[in-house]
Parts: sequence; structure tokens; C-alpha cells
Amino acid sequence: RKEVEQDPGPFNVPEGATVAFNCTYSNSASQSFFWYRQDCRKEPKLLMSVYSSGNEDGRFTAQLNRASQYISLLIRDSKLSDSATYLCVVKRWGSQGNLIFGKGTKLSVKP
Amino acid sequence: DTAVSQTPKYLVTQMGNDKSIKCEQNLGHDTMYWYKQDSKKFLKIMFSYNNKELIINETVPNRFSPKSPDKAHLNLHINSLELGDSAVYFCASGIATNEKLFFGSGTQLSVL
Repeated sequence: RKEVEQDPGPFNVPEGATVAFNCTYSNSASQSFFWYRQDCRKEPKLLMSVYSSGNEDGRFTAQLNRASQYISLLIRDSKLSDSATYLCVVKRWGSQGNLIFGKGTKLSVKP
Repeated sequence: DTAVSQTPKYLVTQMGNDKSIKCEQNLGHDTMYWYKQDSKKFLKIMFSYNNKELIINETVPNRFSPKSPDKAHLNLHINSLELGDSAVYFCASGIATNEKLFFGSGTQLSVL
């Protein structure tokens, strides 16, 4: 079983739709959680960190459930520019900067 | 100014050759990384250096040798290239106490 698992998609949605991505992690010693975004043939970029209390950044909302070892990302009012692959990322306790990346969920927003 | 720059962007070479990929960051970060993204799109860490010292060395063939001449540079040398080495290699940097990583634009390595 992979340490970080995501539905690979693709998710094809119309502009303005709300879309949710899920992610599960297997290592209960995971410390920190993130969503990164990777555009086609580009480098990954941090989208947002994920906190236990849940956090929001504009149209993006991230949730963490430590008991279920589950992370989610909700995108509201999706834009064409949101089309990308969304990577779920976890960091283990004590591992200096060793981020474990999920395979990513591809999102395609259509006009 | 590019924060994390790696060269070359594309590298096409024959099996058995030796090649290097260079990486430089101008962010003043103390930690640098090499990640590999294969054809299945999994991004996996290979090495991590903190202040020029190796701190992470995942299960990578010893044909891969990172070299960090100073905090701002982490180069990757690959000996005896194999077909399976074809992938995109990303350099990244960060601060040890902060988990945000900044990635370079990647080097697409194709071994023929």
C-alpha cells in the first residue's frame, strides 16, 4: 500500500463547479500535511498547508481528519486556471523536510 | 530572478554515459533536495542536504552521487546511465524549520 493515496482522476468539471479531492495516508506518525499543485510539465508549487481545525484560502478549503488519516481539498467556483494536478503531501515526524507525495489528482475545468 | 534554477532543462543521452545536472538556489535556504518524477508521475525524494551535509539518502543506486560545494548549490552526477533513469529530476530548496519547498523547473532526462 502506498503511503499517500489519491484518486488519480481525471476530474472533468465545468467552470463554476465545486470539486472535492480526497487523500488517505497510511503512516500515523505523519506530522504535517499539504496540498501542492503541479501544472503540466511544470514544477510542483505549494497550494496550502492543511491544519487539524481545517483552513480556507479564498475558494480553497482543506480539511484533515487524523483519526481517519484522511485529507481533503475543496475547490469552489472552479476556474479554467484551476486545471492542474493536485498533489497530497505528508511529512513524517522528525524527518527533516522529507515530504511524501501522492501520485496526484488531475483536474480539468472546461468552459 | 529565478529562485531555484537547474540546468539543463532537457538532457538526451545514450545508455552508459555519465551526466550531471546542476542546481542553484538564491533564496538563502539551508536545505536542498533532489526529487525524481517517473513516467507514472510519482514524485520521490532521492537526497537531501542541510548546510552541505547529506541528511537523507533514500534507496537510490550508487550510480547517483549528489555533490554540494556550498549551501546554494546541489548538483547531481549520474554514472553509467540506464534506460530506467529516464525521468524528470527536480531540485528543491527549503528551510529546515519550515516545510515549504521551492522547486526548480525540472530536468527531463531521456536515456536512449
